Amino acid sequence: QSALTQAASVSGSPGQSITISCTGTSSDIGGYDFVSWYQQHPGKAPKLLIYEVTNRPSGISNRFSGSKSGSTASLTISGLLAEDEADYYCSSYTSRNTWVFGGGTELTVL
Amino acid sequence: QVHLVQSPPEMRGPGASVKLSCKTSGYTFINYGVTWVRQAPGQGLEWMGWVGAHNGDPNYAQKFQGKVTMTTDPSTTTAFLDLRGLTSDDTAVYFCARIVGPPNRGRVDSWGQGTLVIVSS
Repeated sequence: QSALTQAASVSGSPGQSITISCTGTSSDIGGYDFVSWYQQHPGKAPKLLIYEVTNRPSGISNRFSGSKSGSTASLTISGLLAEDEADYYCSSYTSRNTWVFGGGTELTVL
Repeated sequence: QVHLVQSPPEMRGPGASVKLSCKTSGYTFINYGVTWVRQAPGQGLEWMGWVGAHNGDPNYAQKFQGKVTMTTDPSTTTAFLDLRGLTSDDTAVYFCARIVGPPNRGRVDSWGQGTLVIVSS
């Protein structure tokens, strides 16, 4: 199972909005609404931001939102804060009854 | 409060095996599955597999079949990851995490702190 495709890096200024995309196939993102997004700061464990494409766990800011179109999922972060600078990973359930992660996107807040 | 506390760092030589532990607390262990994810230095996350909540049945990524064994011990609320035939490519931080609901939904809400495994001669 190949990793989902994410841009290596993205940047934005404080207060702006950015979108991170995650592209898969009909065997993963395109076939199921089981896409999750994680935030990982250096040296820390990942943190769940979004599950099942659009759902936020309790305690996650509504500045984070998820969506999906076809085989591409997206994470949008609005009102960028310095603390949002981190790595972001998507993941999806697949037709092989497995999970697959994206390669990760490094967000820089300018 | 949910906690997952992983075992300390390990160093092994090539060809060796290692068993990592993930001690959980703060919830009913048998009601939640556990997944294992690894991260090589400077690299992204890699899903290894999960072990089911009620029956402890494992499901491994194809890449790790024959390489790993995931088990649980409900009596100590601990999950284990056995890795064998270690190579330098297995040098990574290994995370355990709690799965909420059916594993296919991919809802992982709590993570261990990670265990660094170094494979070197």
